[in-house]
Amino acid sequence: AQSVTQLDSQVPVFEEAPVELRCNYSSSVSVYLFWYVQYPNQGLQLLLKYLSGSTLVKGINGFEAEFNKSQTSFHLRKPSVHISDTAEYFCAVTVGRGGSEKLVFGKGTKLTVNP
Amino acid sequence: NAGVTQTPKFQVLKTGQSMTLQCAQDMNHEYMSWYRQDPGMGLRLIHYSVGAGITDQGEVPNGYNVSRSTTEDFPLRLLSAAPSQTSVYFCASSYSGGAREQYFGPGTRLTVT
Repeated sequence: AQSVTQLDSQVPVFEEAPVELRCNYSSSVSVYLFWYVQYPNQGLQLLLKYLSGSTLVKGINGFEAEFNKSQTSFHLRKPSVHISDTAEYFCAVTVGRGGSEKLVFGKGTKLTVNP
Repeated sequence: NAGVTQTPKFQVLKTGQSMTLQCAQDMNHEYMSWYRQDPGMGLRLIHYSVGAGITDQGEVPNGYNVSRSTTEDFPLRLLSAAPSQTSVYFCASSYSGGAREQYFGPGTRLTVT
């Protein structure tokens, strides 16, 4: 079975510092990978996705992620964070195909950006 | 487009009561799904649908029913609410025909006392 592990439940950083949110997945087949962001009291918004092709994926708000098949990782990075990046971030992977395709989420990482 | 809409935003139920959480999308998406979000648990899939008339169970389906009579609507029914169903519920839809790139609604916060 596929699963997603987000290695840090909380990450505090100072404004303008770089950040990396870690995500590992378990899979023996091809995968599609996603990062979603949830701002306080809101729904989830797609940040970026890896479906195929280049392993370095750029998303919205200056975030990027790198798909590493050998390490089964899909870590999210931003070189300089802002206060407005404070949110919860979820890594997700698809399981199944066609009519049985589903999305499995990690437990989330709360990013707090301090002034 | 309104995107994915959910009603109500908040709801308090007593144990044993029933209710329906509404979800609608105006993007002509075939794939729709329901998740519950609990602190420290991420999002867990309750039920999903790949098109009108077709539904299937997710990871935590017990205590919930769904139906999909139209492409636009995907209601979630709680037949006999329990305190363990206190959670935030999100509906999502996808244009890709599968679980990818889902658009989420704003959520319904449900408390069962």
